[in-house]
Amino acid sequence: ETGVTQTPRHLVMGMTNKKSLKCEQHLGHNAMYWYKQSAKKPLELMFVYSLEERVENNSVPSRFSPECPNSSHLFLHLHTLQPEDSALYLCASSQDWGFKGNEQFFGPGTRLTVL
Amino acid sequence: AQSVSQHNHHVILSEAASLELGCNYSYGGTVNLFWYVQYPGQHLQLLLKYFSGDPLVKGIKGFEAEFIKSKFSFNLRKPSVQWSDTAEYFCAVRNTGGFKTIFGAGTRLFVKA
Repeated sequence: ETGVTQTPRHLVMGMTNKKSLKCEQHLGHNAMYWYKQSAKKPLELMFVYSLEERVENNSVPSRFSPECPNSSHLFLHLHTLQPEDSALYLCASSQDWGFKGNEQFFGPGTRLTVL
Repeated sequence: AQSVSQHNHHVILSEAASLELGCNYSYGGTVNLFWYVQYPGQHLQLLLKYFSGDPLVKGIKGFEAEFIKSKFSFNLRKPSVQWSDTAEYFCAVRNTGGFKTIFGAGTRLFVKA
């Protein structure tokens, strides 16, 4: 079982659709993250959850809505997206925070295309 | 605001050549520093990290990086690259005690066999 899994791996949706991305981590970590990876741009942090509480919202538009029902699962609910939202969405998890040089473990990503 | 700058967007090397990828960051406080690698078709994964102690850090597959605090740099090195090192490399910085990790734009390395 790989550490961080994401489904679906590919998603094509229209601008009026509602869809959700799912992330699951099997590492016993207590923090989870959503990132957006666009071509020729740095990885952009979107949201961070620690112990199921949102601790970081990096000025993300409200058409992206995260949900963290427990420490192993993270969702990203999508509605009325724009074509410029097409990107690779990466989920990551980490153990603790702060002073331990806390690295993140990444999932394979969901390749999203908005038509 | 924190930022991470990777100087080279694309690097092409022949096998056995030496590698150095530059990374500079802007942040005045105490930081944790990372290099991540993404091999073709694979997940982003940690190559090495620095959080305290010896500023010369050894990672997997013969990679190392040196933290030079006075220069705000964390350059990645490998004495002799292999074709299998072809990948994209990301430098990242995180302030200690925080959650936010800032990534550089990445450097695509292509190693010719």
